[in-house]
Amino acid sequence: DAGVTQSPTHLIKTRGQQVTLRCSPKSGHDTVSWYQQALGQGPQFIFQYYEEEERQRGNFPDRFSGHQFPNYSSELNVNALLLGDSALYLCASSADRDEQYFGPGTRLTVT
Amino acid sequence: GQQVMQIPQYQHVQEGEDFTTYCNSSTTLSNIQWYKQRPGGHPVFLIQLVKSGEVKKQKRLTFQFGEAKKNSSLHITATQTTDVGTYFCAGQTSGTYKYIFGTGTRLKVLA
Repeated sequence: DAGVTQSPTHLIKTRGQQVTLRCSPKSGHDTVSWYQQALGQGPQFIFQYYEEEERQRGNFPDRFSGHQFPNYSSELNVNALLLGDSALYLCASSADRDEQYFGPGTRLTVT
Repeated sequence: GQQVMQIPQYQHVQEGEDFTTYCNSSTTLSNIQWYKQRPGGHPVFLIQLVKSGEVKKQKRLTFQFGEAKKNSSLHITATQTTDVGTYFCAGQTSGTYKYIFGTGTRLKVLA
């Protein structure tokens, strides 16, 4: 079992650009949550997907959107990138309200 | 909005000393999870507490959920250098799916 995988590992983008991050959940997990973790901070909840629907959303602007596919994998899209969007983006999968397994994250740098 | 605070922010201990981090929520929680994040790594699930006053042990780690379900603690007995990392609590409130992460306690263990 490969666990939670994320791609890419690192990404450098310019302000105003758009980015798509990808996540494959742990086998048997149907719920995917996305978090943003700034340096030295705790992870901040962006949104959670279940059965291909956004089930809950945190305090993030509409520039942050996502998708879940029938195989439970998920994408996080961020439009009109700002310098403040630079962070580690973590994907976590779970079986409903059980423990969350985090992926290694995507380090996004916006210049 | 809901806030989850942790104290202390940093803790340096000599190897063999005990360590405790405290987690306090502004609202009553339905459950709380604890995670450990090594430098440069991703959060790794440690435990989930659900019941008021619950105490769980994992080898040298003891986790407690407060009677009012608004606070929690993690105690490590006889720390080892492998305990180095940042410990986060993450609380979930009833009727929601998102987890609010605490501010984290960064532990350094001096050999």
